[in-house]
This record gives sequence, C-alpha cells and structure tokens, in this order.
Amino acid sequence: EVQLVESGGGLVQPGESLRLSCAASGFTFITHWMSWVRQAPGKGLEWVAHIHPDGSEKKYVDSVKGRFSISRDNAKSSVYVQMNSLRVEDTAVYYCVGWDQFDNYWGQGTLVTVSS
Amino acid sequence: DVVMTQSPLSLPVTLGQPASISCRSSESLVYTDGNTFLHWFHQRPGQSPRRLIYRVSNRDSGVPDRFSGSGSGTDFTLKISRVEAEDVGVYYCMQYRHWPHTFGQGTKLEIK
Repeated sequence: EVQLVESGGGLVQPGESLRLSCAASGFTFITHWMSWVRQAPGKGLEWVAHIHPDGSEKKYVDSVKGRFSISRDNAKSSVYVQMNSLRVEDTAVYYCVGWDQFDNYWGQGTLVTVSS
Repeated sequence: DVVMTQSPLSLPVTLGQPASISCRSSESLVYTDGNTFLHWFHQRPGQSPRRLIYRVSNRDSGVPDRFSGSGSGTDFTLKISRVEAEDVGVYYCMQYRHWPHTFGQGTKLEIK
C-alpha cells in the first residue's frame, strides 16, 4: 500500500521558519519525482516545488523562490521542504506528491498557519 | 505562467445524468514527443486530491469507466456519463507541460 505521511506543520509567526517532512512507502521512491503542493483554506491547488528522483533538479514557484528549499533523502525515502521567512499568504495545507509518468500519489497533507 | 481556465465553476447535476467540465490552457500542452501533459483530479470534501485521468484520456487504476477525458492542444474535457453520489466534490485540471505546473480554479460538482 502506498503511503505518504507529512509532518512538521503548525502555527508560526510571520518571518519564522518551518521544515516539513514527508515519509514515503509502498512505491519505488528513487524513481519518482517528489513535489509539494499547497491549498490555502477554501481555495484551489498550487504546485509549490518539485525535485528530480536523484535530486539534480529543483524547481520552485516564483512566490516561494529564495524562501523555500526542497530536498530529499533517497536512503530514507523522504522529502523535505525548508520554509523560511514565512508570510501570512503561505498559510495552507501542504501536500506531498510522488509521481512519475504513470503514478501520482498524494499524502493527507499538513496544515501550516502563519499568523501573528 | 500557463493559465488553466475551467468551466463551469459550479455544476449541479441530477443523479444518473451526465456531466461535462471544460478546461482551456493559455498555451499548448503538447510536448516535443507528442504527448500532451494534462491531468484531471477529484477532491472530495476533507480529502486529498486523487488523480482520475492522466495525459488527457487515460484513466487511473480503479477509476470507474463512467469517467472519460478528451481533448488536444489547449482544449480539454472531462465527462461523467452518469453521475453518482460519490462523484461530489471539486474537479481540477492540471498542466505539467510548463513550469510552474498549474491547476484550473476547480469545478464544484453537487447533486441537485
């Protein structure tokens, strides 16, 4: 059974940092791209960042560039996103997504709330 | 960024009746290898999105055959032949031909 389990969400103040983790199992992690997708409360989906299976390529949406950093540890089948200088508009449920040309797996999401 | 425009945004449907959602992209989603990079997702209330259709018209494992996808270039359609109660929720199209990958605004399907 495929599982993606996110952790690390919580309430932080603007300007603070948070690191989200996602532990994957049930599929061949090292062959899949990994991504973070977020959904603000009551809103649609936004693709935030992704990382190549071997970590060689990373891409970010403009709104998080320079503040978020995606990484992965293939030995631990885990992906991370370090989120710095958080803003109120970063408040969202963050989903971990694993994908290749055929597969597309989503975690249950972790809520990040940025508020003073 | 590639803009994905869905219509309608709200879709009330009677059980057993068909439903159709349109998705238009601001740029072609055809890759150099001829593949078209367009997915459809379904998100039930309180749940994570689940992919239904990949590369325009391929159903994911376990997706009922009442769901079908079609289209090409910049115009795409998701059709449900006979809506069932479990089909309620929000449907999103998503392009992954261009970075950043972008989603449509979502179409909320409800039962009349």
